[in-house]
Amino acid sequence: QVQLVQSGAEEKKPGSSVKISCQPYGYIFTDYTIHWVRQAPGQGLEWLGWIAGVNGVTRYSQRSQVRVTITRDTSAGMVYLELRRLTSEDTAMYYCVRQPGLSAFDVWGQGTEVLVSS
Amino acid sequence: TVVAQEPSLTVSPGGTVTLTCASSIGAVTGDYHPNWFQQKPGQPPRPLIYSATNKYSWTPARFSGYLLGGKAALALSAVQPDDEAEYFCLLFCGGVWVFGGGTKVTVL
Repeated sequence: QVQLVQSGAEEKKPGSSVKISCQPYGYIFTDYTIHWVRQAPGQGLEWLGWIAGVNGVTRYSQRSQVRVTITRDTSAGMVYLELRRLTSEDTAMYYCVRQPGLSAFDVWGQGTEVLVSS
Repeated sequence: TVVAQEPSLTVSPGGTVTLTCASSIGAVTGDYHPNWFQQKPGQPPRPLIYSATNKYSWTPARFSGYLLGGKAALALSAVQPDDEAEYFCLLFCGGVWVFGGGTKVTVL
């Protein structure tokens, strides 16, 4: 069964960093691009960036590119999202999403809740 | 780039409702690869449509995506109470992906 399994909830202090993981199961890891999307409480969805499966190339939204880094460990079969200099506005549910081909976003992780609080 | 959706729509059971998705930089075409997602409280988004018109194997036949008048659109027909949810569109704009603000569909 194809699924994306994300790491558990995190509680962080303002100014710190968080690194959350996404582990694909049921398919060849490098065959697909992985995106990261977040959703603040009661708000809409925000696309953060992607990492290409074939070559690890990344692309970020203009807003996220300063503080966000997406990486992968091909030997471990993991994708990571790191967010630096956290503020309360980063409190959100973070999702990884698989993109097969050019357009579809077909499999979503279960989400990782990040709470930024002093 | 701003992607605009109706904030809320209300539909009667059995009726039809159409949601739209517009881009601030111009008419939405197939090059924008429109996607539609359904989200219910406490759940991750559920993919419904990709590339404007294509359905997933789990997408109800009552749901249809298309391009019309420079916008992407999602039509829900024979609406059921279980269709009450938030619906988000996603467009590929200038090399990055941008979500719309979402449409809250109420079945009443």
